[in-house]
Amino acid sequence: AQKVTQAQTEISVVEKEDVTLDCVYETRDTTYYLFWYKQPPSGELVFLIRRNSFDEQNEISGRYSWNFQKSTSSFNFTITASQVVDSAVYFCALSEANSGYALNFGKGTSLLVTP
Amino acid sequence: EAGVVQSPRYKIIEKKQPVAFWCNPISGHNTLYWYLQNLGQGPELLIRYENEEAVDDSQLPKDRFSAERLKGVDSTLKIQPAELGDSAVYLCASSLSGTESNEQFFGPGTRLTVL
Repeated sequence: AQKVTQAQTEISVVEKEDVTLDCVYETRDTTYYLFWYKQPPSGELVFLIRRNSFDEQNEISGRYSWNFQKSTSSFNFTITASQVVDSAVYFCALSEANSGYALNFGKGTSLLVTP
Repeated sequence: EAGVVQSPRYKIIEKKQPVAFWCNPISGHNTLYWYLQNLGQGPELLIRYENEEAVDDSQLPKDRFSAERLKGVDSTLKIQPAELGDSAVYLCASSLSGTESNEQFFGPGTRLTVL
């Protein structure tokens, strides 16, 4: 069963628009970690953020922000004032103690930002 | 500091041929992962090593796939014989063991095409 669901397969926005990428996860562990990775066309996975299950504070880093809500098992990612360089595939991932903290990825959301 | 190194970056072979991928993790990282990424999908764990021990190989198709991590540093993933469905990107990642936060660093991947 898919533990991480990224319902949006593809999103297309015009530059400077805000965009939110959704992520819903499923776990029975009380201790777990959530991640977002960016995969540009070059193919390399770039780490963006890690959140542990005990820290529900939202986080902002420049144009990026993340909204973690345990009540809805969601960890959404918002890009403010999107830029063409933000075009990539974005993966949400879950890491649980009972799997040795290996990453369980969603299927990814392909974001295209056009000028 | 050097990142995770993988070679080759690209490999094209005919079906039924053997193929091997090599990974050199970040220095000092005890945990090494091999992931498989099919087109349009998120990476999926194949095997996880703690030092030289394979602690999770439940997702590795053992009839044709094998892996080793002699001396607990470099690792090799082998497919013999390759099938058309094995065409994918094979990603290697490493992390510091004993850290729950488990920030994994990914290599650039090996893109395999089986003809």
